[in-house]
Amino acid sequence: EVHLVESGGGLVQPGGSLRLSCTASGFTFSSSWMHWVRQAPGKGLVWVSRINRDETDTAYADSVKGRFTISRDNAKNTLYLQMTGLRADDTAVYYCATPLTSRLRNGLGSWGQGTLVTVS
Amino acid sequence: QSVLTQPPSASGTPGQRVSISCSGSSSNIGTSSVHWYQQVPGSAPKLLIYNDDERPSGVPDRFSGSKSGTSASLVISGLQSEDESDYYCASWDDSLSGVVFGGGTKLSVL
Repeated sequence: EVHLVESGGGLVQPGGSLRLSCTASGFTFSSSWMHWVRQAPGKGLVWVSRINRDETDTAYADSVKGRFTISRDNAKNTLYLQMTGLRADDTAVYYCATPLTSRLRNGLGSWGQGTLVTVS
Repeated sequence: QSVLTQPPSASGTPGQRVSISCSGSSSNIGTSSVHWYQQVPGSAPKLLIYNDDERPSGVPDRFSGSKSGTSASLVISGLQSEDESDYYCASWDDSLSGVVFGGGTKLSVL
């Protein structure tokens, strides 16, 4: 069974930094694209970033470009999101997610439970 | 403002058929598959439909998806009270080289 566990969330002041981690198990992590998706309180889902299997290709939403960096350690089955220059509107639950099958880029079939980031 | 456009709300009575629309553009739905997610408030989203019209294992066949041009639809047949949730469409966007979501549709079962 696919299992994704996010950690690293918390309360941070505006302008501060935080690094989120997502530990994966139950599937071949190194063969799967990975994504970060966030959800502000009471709002909808917003895609944040994605990374391909071997970390050679990444992409970001315009709202976080230049401030957030996605990375992965396939040896540790772990996905990261380094967040800098945090703003109040970055406050959200951050989910890591992976496609339903390793053949897909998206079609996010597995999600973590989310970690709350509060910027205040 | 979401890239994909969904109605903010929809409703139906038990047993009814409900459709939720999702409108995009040539850079996303027009050239890539559409996926649908169901989210109960307070829980992580769940993939309901992928690749326009395929259901992951365990998703009832009451849920179906379709796509035409730059628009897609999620249809729920035989509506049940437990279907009351938020529903999101999503697609790959070539301009972004990433995923775009709809704003979500809150489905009420009256």
